[in-house]
Amino acid sequence: GEDVEQSLFLSVREGDSSVINCTYTDSSSTYLYWYKQEPGAGLQLLTYIFSNMDMKQDQRLTVLLNKKDKHLSLRIADTQTGDSAIYFCAENNNAGNMLTFGGGTRLMVKP
Amino acid sequence: KAGVTQTPRYLIKTRGQQVTLSCSPISGHRSVSWYQQTPGQGLQFLFEYFSETQRNKGNFPGRFSGRQFSNSRSEMNVSTLELGDSALYLCASSSSMGSNEQFFGPGTRLTVL
Repeated sequence: GEDVEQSLFLSVREGDSSVINCTYTDSSSTYLYWYKQEPGAGLQLLTYIFSNMDMKQDQRLTVLLNKKDKHLSLRIADTQTGDSAIYFCAENNNAGNMLTFGGGTRLMVKP
Repeated sequence: KAGVTQTPRYLIKTRGQQVTLSCSPISGHRSVSWYQQTPGQGLQFLFEYFSETQRNKGNFPGRFSGRQFSNSRSEMNVSTLELGDSALYLCASSSSMGSNEQFFGPGTRLTVL
């Protein structure tokens, strides 16, 4: 079955870049997503990438996809304290809208 | 455009009771998916409804059920509650099947005592 893995924790200083990594096992993934979750809140869709792309940039966010290695990353430029949250990667590999999520990476931004 | 709304936001029940949670998708969206989030198991897919039909189902026991109405609003029901059902229940709304964008509501926090 599908499996999505993420490291548990990342700590960076304000102003630095953050890179959050994710690996997945299902090569039939069509879309891959990054969601952000703040304490007590739902999931906020940050960005997504179609599986035939290798990079997508959206303001401070850059998504890199290495389909051969089944590796997805999210780079946040000029990280701010407001970026502190849990970040989830997810894949969608069927005709419906079922998402398989990683366990989440807690990003801590120090002033 | 209003976002996804879920009611109630918080709920406390006791073991053996049943509970119904509600989700109203973004206006015009016809697909609603439900997820359970727990510290131990993370985010797990429960089921998806599109045009009042269940399209996908996750690996949960039959105590978990759902339905979708003609206005796309969805409800999920959990019968014979167990302590392990304590979780944040999230619903996601999208415009169609296989949509590239899914938007989540704030969730319903269920505590089973």
